[in-house]
Amino acid sequence: ETGVTQSPTHLIKTRGQQVTLRCSSQSGHNTVSWYQQALGQGPQFIFQYYREEENGRGNFPPRFSGLQFPNYSSELNVNALELDDSALYLCASSLDSQTGELFFGEGSRLTVL
Amino acid sequence: GIQVEQSPPDLILQEGANSTLRCNFSDSVNNLQWFHQNPWGQLINLFYIPSGTKQNGRLSATTVATERYSLLYISSSQTTDSGVYFCAVPGGSRLTFGEGTQLTVNP
Repeated sequence: ETGVTQSPTHLIKTRGQQVTLRCSSQSGHNTVSWYQQALGQGPQFIFQYYREEENGRGNFPPRFSGLQFPNYSSELNVNALELDDSALYLCASSLDSQTGELFFGEGSRLTVL
Repeated sequence: GIQVEQSPPDLILQEGANSTLRCNFSDSVNNLQWFHQNPWGQLINLFYIPSGTKQNGRLSATTVATERYSLLYISSSQTTDSGVYFCAVPGGSRLTFGEGTQLTVNP
């Protein structure tokens, strides 16, 4: 086990709805990153949070937003869901925002109908 | 941005066989990670290996940073080794993943 926990593990939403995914980082880690993994592909970087500030963002529209809390846990919010948002969403924590080893949670599998 | 290529994309083995997975990357990096993704989707850390060789049981990895590649060796494969193997390299705050190698080990 990595010590990174995500919730919920599975969820189903309809197009246009909003979703919030949650992540608790490994103890002592101050950096959380979110990745989207579509079926049959490698994970794609969404954004990273370091000490409660966004610290890098991938090629995702503004309807993907996030938060990091003082205890370093994090949320990923997606508004106006589209069918293509169906994917596995992975959270990772690390000690270092640039070069540290990443440890991933089990993921939240989102299906948009 | 940095490009990561993995080969082969698919690999089918009989239990007990050995295999080598390759990861090429387009720019110099200061670390590299190998992961195994299990059927439930979790990415399991195998190696954090900026350079040199590391071994963990039946698995070992070698990264030659100057030539921009890394190799993952699996010896005496078992059915539980099945799954997707990813390598990933950092670029700023992000990890860039390859497309993975789908390994199937048959009994």
